[in-house]
Amino acid sequence: DVKVTQSSRYLVKRTGEKVFLECVQDMDHENMFWYRQDPGLGLRLIYFSYDVKMKEKGDIPEGYSVSREKKERFSLILESASTNQTSMYLCASSQGLAGEQFFGPGTRLTVL
Amino acid sequence: GQQVMQIPQYQHVQEGEDFTTYCNSSTTLSNIQWYKQRPGGHPVFLIQLVKSGEVKKQKRLTFQFGEAKKNSSLHITATQTTDVGTYFCAGPGTGGSQGNLIFGKGTKLSVKP
Repeated sequence: DVKVTQSSRYLVKRTGEKVFLECVQDMDHENMFWYRQDPGLGLRLIYFSYDVKMKEKGDIPEGYSVSREKKERFSLILESASTNQTSMYLCASSQGLAGEQFFGPGTRLTVL
Repeated sequence: GQQVMQIPQYQHVQEGEDFTTYCNSSTTLSNIQWYKQRPGGHPVFLIQLVKSGEVKKQKRLTFQFGEAKKNSSLHITATQTTDVGTYFCAGPGTGGSQGNLIFGKGTKLSVKP
């Protein structure tokens, strides 16, 4: 059964902290994505990656960076967390261009 | 830029009533996908439509892809409480978004027993 896992379901951080959100997929998918989901705003793409060590900016990359050192792992980094980054963060993976996306369970991040 | 719009944003129905959500794209799509997100859960793929005018059914769910491949709909017959959740449509991005999916904002369905 295909699986995307995220390191934490809930996370509470302080303003200014560096935050790492980890995502791992076991399907050998080429493509991985980070979204944030806020009420009324749907899914907004932060960053995506088509291959190891490759990354592309999505619609809202400001304040975030990513790392993909291994095919199965895609990390989202908040260099200096701010309260407006309080949100649900969803990781997804897919095979092929614009293919079906498999989502992880999400990390609900609260920045105080 | 490319947009995928969904209406309505919210829908409240009595159990047993029908429900429809509509999806419209600003560009012609090669295919359209539908996802369901249960409360507290994550989006889960339901189906993909590829052909112009295509209609697919999954039990009480009927999915349609418009003739011009710019719109789609999801219809649920005789809703049940298990249908509660947010339904998203998504189409392939073009240009700088090629390879991504462009998601609609979703329709949140609540079902009153």
